[in-house]
Amino acid sequence: DTGVSQDPRHKITKRGQNVTFRCDPISEHNRLYWYRQTLGQGPEFLTYFQNEAQLEKSRLLSDRFSAERPKGSFSTLEIQRTEQGDSAMYLCASSFQSGSSHEQFFGPGTRLTVL
Amino acid sequence: GNSVTQMEGPVTLSEEAFLTINCTYTATGYPSLFWYVQYPGEGLQLLLKATKADDKGSNKGFEATYRKETTSFHLEKGSVQVSDSAVYFCASPSGAGSYQLTFGKGTKLSVIP
Repeated sequence: DTGVSQDPRHKITKRGQNVTFRCDPISEHNRLYWYRQTLGQGPEFLTYFQNEAQLEKSRLLSDRFSAERPKGSFSTLEIQRTEQGDSAMYLCASSFQSGSSHEQFFGPGTRLTVL
Repeated sequence: GNSVTQMEGPVTLSEEAFLTINCTYTATGYPSLFWYVQYPGEGLQLLLKATKADDKGSNKGFEATYRKETTSFHLEKGSVQVSDSAVYFCASPSGAGSYQLTFGKGTKLSVIP
């Protein structure tokens, strides 16, 4: 399977704990995006990498959220001191820089439940 | 920036009925336009796209035409099937450099036999 993969698919945690999610993009894609999707809503953009550089992070929801892409391949999204309001689906997407369509390919998501 | 507004559901149709889900955008210029589909328990899949005015995207019997004059990209299918039951999202690039996608709120479609 050469699509975008995410791990884990589901995460249940207690309030106050830290969680980390991983995303593996399509191998030839140099752009990687994180989105959050809450129930009944469309995905909401969080942050974006081009290769290893994080070019936009102002949309991260708070300073408890951080993302890395150290080698320009896989990426991690960490949420520190989780709150119940962080419960959502976290989606990763990737794309190739060239071309004008801005088409993004999405992974299956990680569903976070904070108790 | 760019915002996307789509018809909210839920929409319930009988099998073989005609489907239209409306979508409009606000950007000036000619942003790319997308329809994504999300089946239960899965991530988003690109259904179709259009990158310039009057383009028609099509896939799996679904069609949408990029209408610059009405800033719209309505999704249509002539005869829906039970397997089309899903949530449909209209999306378009937004932000400096147009790297982020802005999505509509989604339209849940249920097709009954």
